[in-house]
Amino acid sequence: EAGVAQSPRYKIIEKRQSVAFWCNPISGHATLYWYQQILGQGPKLLIQFQNNGVVDDSQLPKDRFSAERLKGVDSTLKIQPAKLEDSAVYLCASSLGLAGGDLDEQFFGPGTRLTVL
Amino acid sequence: GDSVTQMEGPVTLSEEAFLTINCTYTATGYPSLFWYVQYPGEGLQLLLKATKADDKGSNKGFEATYRKETTSFHLEKGSVQVSDSAVYFCALSTNAGKSTFGDGTTLTVKP
Repeated sequence: EAGVAQSPRYKIIEKRQSVAFWCNPISGHATLYWYQQILGQGPKLLIQFQNNGVVDDSQLPKDRFSAERLKGVDSTLKIQPAKLEDSAVYLCASSLGLAGGDLDEQFFGPGTRLTVL
Repeated sequence: GDSVTQMEGPVTLSEEAFLTINCTYTATGYPSLFWYVQYPGEGLQLLLKATKADDKGSNKGFEATYRKETTSFHLEKGSVQVSDSAVYFCALSTNAGKSTFGDGTTLTVKP
């Protein structure tokens, strides 16, 4: 079974530029998560989708971050414009069911390491 | 809000030593509790989980018991191996669908 795919694996941009990340979850997984992991910290949930609807985006900085999951399959996360403090690894994960339910084991992709100069 | 506090690392042990990594949580309701592991060069993967009070999750010789009275989910292993060297994350998921992770504990096991 193919795992969660993410691209690109690495990205270096200058502050105020825009960047987009792509995620393809495991086939059949209804729930998709985007996390931000700053060096030395645990993953912080940015947004959670179930199919193509948003379940939780309370920690997404909506003035600069946006995400979509068209057709309930793959997803993109965009930062526009980027700031220095956005340097982090952006993780995508998927699960069969919602967090807190019986099918909530999350499967993680390899992440995209973003460096903002 | 919800939070997870993990024992600070790094933790360095000799092979065959006993391991405990402490984890306590704050959450509304009755969350599910998890330990995820990240081996060097690999992505995060689920190690074990427990969904209700007094449940014990176990996998690969690791165990953790959901203690509601102390709001804890400490990870234990009786005899660690060099291959257990990794970063370990404690996490919770609430019934409202919110996931919260701790900051991770780095374990190094020396031969």
